[in-house]
Amino acid sequence: VMTQSPATLSLSPGERATLSCRASQSTGTNLAWYQQKPGQAPRLLIYAASTRATGIPARFSGSGSGTDFTLTISSLQSDDFAVYYCQQYNTWPPALSFGGGTKVEIK
Amino acid sequence: QVKLVQSGAEVKKPGASVKVSCKASGYAFRNYGIVWVRQAPGQGLEWMGWISTDNGDTNEPQRIRDRLTMTTDRSEGTVYMELRSLRSVDTAIYYCGRWNVRAVDYWGQGTLVTVSS
Repeated sequence: VMTQSPATLSLSPGERATLSCRASQSTGTNLAWYQQKPGQAPRLLIYAASTRATGIPARFSGSGSGTDFTLTISSLQSDDFAVYYCQQYNTWPPALSFGGGTKVEIK
Repeated sequence: QVKLVQSGAEVKKPGASVKVSCKASGYAFRNYGIVWVRQAPGQGLEWMGWISTDNGDTNEPQRIRDRLTMTTDRSEGTVYMELRSLRSVDTAIYYCGRWNVRAVDYWGQGTLVTVSS
């Protein structure tokens, strides 16, 4: 089970966003982060806990291992206000588990 | 470029079945598995299952295993997801995604399935 906190984060553009994701049991670094905007499919941001996906800006960074993970957006841009999901996976056979999401909204 | 194109929206009655397709292009189809993820209205993401496009092996959560069938047509580069005995709680957008061993790196556009009497 993946637990994300907070459920909602109210911040202003330019501020730093820190999103947390906790796993009920150790998942190593088998952790990904996605961004989803209304009416769109999710978009991969981070995989293997800390590796940015292709084309993802450097202001997005991931950290953590085991049971505690963090997604940091160093300076929020207007395009970053969205819902963020963490996702843990078992290697084989593939089995995924998503967190409940954190909504980053404009304060 | 990598593209996953899903079939169109469906409206079904409770107890019926639905079959959603996901056609892949722009990459070596058999090199990546496909996952299915759904999202009920206003809710989060829920993993439905994974299928190997190479040999058809599948894995899905126990809670849905008896109602879900995933298949692949390698000649067409297409994966299918069939959900049976539909209930109102199955109303959701169903997404397919390319599984690259570590994450879902490409997503389909989503297929809205509405279950209503």
